[in-house]
Amino acid sequence: EPEVTQTPSHQVTQMGQEVILRCVPISNHLYFYWYRQILGQKVEFLVSFYNNEISEKSEIFDDQFSVERPDGSNFTLKIRSTKLEDSAMYFCASRDSNEKLFFGSGTQLSVL
Amino acid sequence: KQEVTQIPAALSVPEGENLVLNCSFTDSAIYNLQWFRQDPGKGLTSLLLIQSSQREQTSGRLNASLDKSSGRSTLYIAASQPGDSATYLCAGGGSQGNLIFGKGTKLSVKP
Repeated sequence: EPEVTQTPSHQVTQMGQEVILRCVPISNHLYFYWYRQILGQKVEFLVSFYNNEISEKSEIFDDQFSVERPDGSNFTLKIRSTKLEDSAMYFCASRDSNEKLFFGSGTQLSVL
Repeated sequence: KQEVTQIPAALSVPEGENLVLNCSFTDSAIYNLQWFRQDPGKGLTSLLLIQSSQREQTSGRLNASLDKSSGRSTLYIAASQPGDSATYLCAGGGSQGNLIFGKGTKLSVKP
């Protein structure tokens, strides 16, 4: 069964460093998303991406964040200068034609 | 701004019991309502999606209902099994797929 894959599963970085989280959405899906979940808190929407551009973003998705689809398969989230409060599990998702979202297993980001 | 609330926060039941998880949302103009399952340290698995024009959806032992006028959705699990133990998340969706999640109900089914 097709699935959304995310790499790495864990990422440890120093405050102020740039990180890139990678995702391979399901191949025939057209909408892609990033969500995050801080430990013990709700899953939060960050950004949606369609037709090679951002279709919607939340207040969390400020100038430190960017997304890119560099080729036909990968979808990346870049955090330019990480802060302690960016520590969270980051989930990538893609949407099928029935509007159901499929999530990857996440990247646990730890900012020290 | 959409807010999604789930009660109870945690629930423990003996195996075989039927149970109901509750979800409420503040903005009735949701595009759809989705229920997910989250296992510890894992991603989210979609269980059921109810479009705004629908009242319920069923999959196996799971049945989800949606009442937009009252801002409520329920997830009914029949004949619960230990393998059902997980956190169940409710999410209200916009037309672009941006979901607003509740905090979840942590279910424990005891053998």
